[in-house]
Amino acid sequence: QSALTQPPSASGSPGQSVTISCTGTSRDIGAYNYVSWYQQHPGKAPKLLIYEVDKRPSGVSGRFSGSKSGNTASLTVSGLLADDECDYYCNSYAGSFTWVFGGGTRLTVL
Amino acid sequence: EGQLVESGGNMVQPGGSLRLSCVASGLDFSGHYMHWVRQAPGKGLVWLSSINFHGSSATYADSVMGRFTVSRDNAETTLYLQLSSLRVDDTAVYYCGRGVAYAVDVWGQGTPVIVS
Repeated sequence: QSALTQPPSASGSPGQSVTISCTGTSRDIGAYNYVSWYQQHPGKAPKLLIYEVDKRPSGVSGRFSGSKSGNTASLTVSGLLADDECDYYCNSYAGSFTWVFGGGTRLTVL
Repeated sequence: EGQLVESGGNMVQPGGSLRLSCVASGLDFSGHYMHWVRQAPGKGLVWLSSINFHGSSATYADSVMGRFTVSRDNAETTLYLQLSSLRVDDTAVYYCGRGVAYAVDVWGQGTPVIVS
């Protein structure tokens, strides 16, 4: 149950796009299309942004999109806004009803 | 709108025990897997445990297996996490979450556990 690997930080200017990667293994990301992404503002509970690799829950902005290739998943945030500045976590199903999170990425809007 | 509300977090000495509760209101509870996730101060999210619809099957992260026990009462729409043999590194905010499509779509506000 090793954590997925995310870059500790990412940044972009308002209006730009930024992509956050999440690398796992053939036993988690590579094995299942069950990658989800969460946004967490300081002191708040996480919020689901993406599930099943690229699906958005109702109410989540279309500026957030997800994809996967092999053992790596990605979250793209387009049209950066100041409010996008916070932490982002990936998660993958890892089989046998276990899950694993990434270490998190702090997104800074310059 | 539905919500999950955790309670039971407290300060406890190493080796001690606690029971956390997570009450669901205004949302479907019994038709969903439920999860516990924790976040140590300044650190990332860590999946701890999941329980199936009926409470008949549960899974755990290696770090808490044998020390933590998850259960649920669908009649009371309540999820529980029994924490025992607590260690200093169990200090964290503990979140409950509702499972959907192998993700967590509704999160509680978290309850803090301090082991010291």
